[in-house]
Amino acid sequence: QKEVEQNSGPLSVPEGAIASLNCTYSDRGSQSFFWYRQYSGKSPELIMFIYSNGDKEDGRFTAQLNKASQYVSLLIRDSQPSDSATYLCAVIKSEKLVFGKGTKLTVNP
Amino acid sequence: DADVTQTPRNRITKTGKRIMLECSQTKGHDRMYWYRQDPGLGLRLIYYSFDVKDINKGEISDGYSVSRQAQAKFSLSLESAIPNQTALYFCATSDSSFYSNQPQHFGDGTRLSIL
Repeated sequence: QKEVEQNSGPLSVPEGAIASLNCTYSDRGSQSFFWYRQYSGKSPELIMFIYSNGDKEDGRFTAQLNKASQYVSLLIRDSQPSDSATYLCAVIKSEKLVFGKGTKLTVNP
Repeated sequence: DADVTQTPRNRITKTGKRIMLECSQTKGHDRMYWYRQDPGLGLRLIYYSFDVKDINKGEISDGYSVSRQAQAKFSLSLESAIPNQTALYFCATSDSSFYSNQPQHFGDGTRLSIL
């Protein structure tokens, strides 16, 4: 099992819809979880982090963590075309970030 | 000015050449990292450094070396470049002062092509 797994997509949603991005991780001892957004050819940009079970909301973004199921997700409400990017899930292991390969999201006007 | 600066931004060179990619940061972070990104393979860790005297190999260190010249500077070298080292390279930093599991912040990247 890969350490961090994401559906590579592409995930396509209409403008205004909710985009749901999912990530699973293999190390049950992982404590910190991050979502990065990466536009094509650009650097990853941190958009959310979550440390505790449950939901964390920041504007249109909600991160959800379920440590029992080793599952972390990112919801984007009222999706906009500018949200079209690749979303990277990352997990801390041995004080280093381990990244999933990313899910490509396209928001259609 | 960017908090994490990578130079050069783009580089085209020939097989066998020695190449150095440089990274400097003004964030005051103690930890620095080098990644490469290839289509379909995601971000892979090459080397990392938790402080000036600490250098560690990452997932794919073969063919690369690093130097941590100061807290703010971390350089990546390709001693004899080969075409399969063509990739997008990122430097990143993080802060361990309060909590070890802090997020990483990335530079703008160096696009390296080896012919």
